[in-house]
Amino acid sequence: AQKITQTQPGMFVQEKEAVTLDCTYDTSDPSYGLFWYKQPSSGEMIFLIYQGSYDQQNATEGRYSLNFQKARKSANLVISASQLGDSAMYFCAMSLNTGFQKLVFGTGTRLLVSP
Amino acid sequence: DAGVTQSPTHLIKTRGQQVTLRCSPKSGHDTVSWYQQALGQGPQFIFQYYEEEERQRGNFPDRFSGHQFPNYSSELNVNALLLGDSALYLCASSNRGGEETQYFGPGTRLLVL
Repeated sequence: AQKITQTQPGMFVQEKEAVTLDCTYDTSDPSYGLFWYKQPSSGEMIFLIYQGSYDQQNATEGRYSLNFQKARKSANLVISASQLGDSAMYFCAMSLNTGFQKLVFGTGTRLLVSP
Repeated sequence: DAGVTQSPTHLIKTRGQQVTLRCSPKSGHDTVSWYQQALGQGPQFIFQYYEEEERQRGNFPDRFSGHQFPNYSSELNVNALLLGDSALYLCASSNRGGEETQYFGPGTRLLVL
């Protein structure tokens, strides 16, 4: 069975600094996808970044990058140059490439960016 | 380009009642998935609809049912509400039968008293 573990309940970072949010996953399937979503207090889950299990390069999307270490089964999110608007819950999720996506989420990390 | 929309935004029901939540997918998307997010938890997969059929179901009882219409919009129905059904219900849409990234709506907050 798939499992996502996020061990950091909360993280603090100062504005303009970089922060890494940890995510480890467990699956025996060779083909899978890893996702990060941001959830502000409004509740909507905002898609940030995707990494496929066969992708050779780490994914990047603007200030977001995914540090994918397959052997360690980790998929950490790096946010560079943090902004006040980055304060939110962040969820790591995975899906198996079975032809459709059923996302399995971790418990999330609350990020607080201070001025 | 309209994103995923959900209605209502908030709902209060009492135990034993029935509720219907609605979702309109992002323009061009043909697949709708539903998730339940309890307070302090990550979302849990309920089921996914494609071509008006339920494709796969998570570990939820039969009290949870759904429907997809020809215009790809979807409903989630919950019968015989329990206090534990209080949660944020998220709808996500995707394309190509669910192969592509899921985009979420703002959710419906359900409170069962």
